Amino acid sequence: DAGVIQSPRHEVTEMGQEVTLRCKPISGHNSLFWYRQTMMRGLELLIYFNNNVPIDDSGMPEDRFSAKMPNASFSTLKIQPSEPRDSAVYFCASISAAGGPNTGELFFGEGSRLTVL
Amino acid sequence: AQSVTQLGSHVSVSEGALVLLRCNYSSSVPPYLFWYVQYPNQGLQLLLKYTSAATLVKGINGFEAEFKKSETSFHLTKPSAHMSDAAEYFCAAYSSASKIIFGSGTRLSIRP
Repeated sequence: DAGVIQSPRHEVTEMGQEVTLRCKPISGHNSLFWYRQTMMRGLELLIYFNNNVPIDDSGMPEDRFSAKMPNASFSTLKIQPSEPRDSAVYFCASISAAGGPNTGELFFGEGSRLTVL
Repeated sequence: AQSVTQLGSHVSVSEGALVLLRCNYSSSVPPYLFWYVQYPNQGLQLLLKYTSAATLVKGINGFEAEFKKSETSFHLTKPSAHMSDAAEYFCAAYSSASKIIFGSGTRLSIRP
């Protein structure tokens, strides 16, 4: 398996622009997570989906952030409009169904490094 | 509410010395517990996990962790540090509803 795939790996944009980050989870995994990592705040859970349904979005910082999972193999995290304080590394991770040998084990993508000027 | 606490945001040891990274969890039901490692400019990867089969868990790169229910701890150790162990380490707990709680991370530095 190719693992969790994220794109783009790096994005530099100007304040006010729309940013869309993409994630393809591991095939067969039924839960998907979006995390944000910064030096100041560490690793923060933004939102997670179970069977394509958003379960907990309490970590989404503002209405400027939105996430979708239209099917089991694709998710997007959108920021509109972007601000300099959104600069961070955004990670997507997926997990297999409960009860399997990898229960609870998160598989992370390599992250999307966002810089908002 | 479940929580994970890592004591020490930064630990520095000499090459060849013992590595000890501390993790305590707060949960009424012992969860599944994990240690993840993050090397610079990479995502997190699993180092080891506790799933109630054995209290002493061995992971990759010579690391191991011991689950102690009485202390609600899951400390990570390695007998002899290597320069390549320099990274950030995260303790995490998973219980139900597919929710995973991470600690704040500990950056491990290795002195030559």
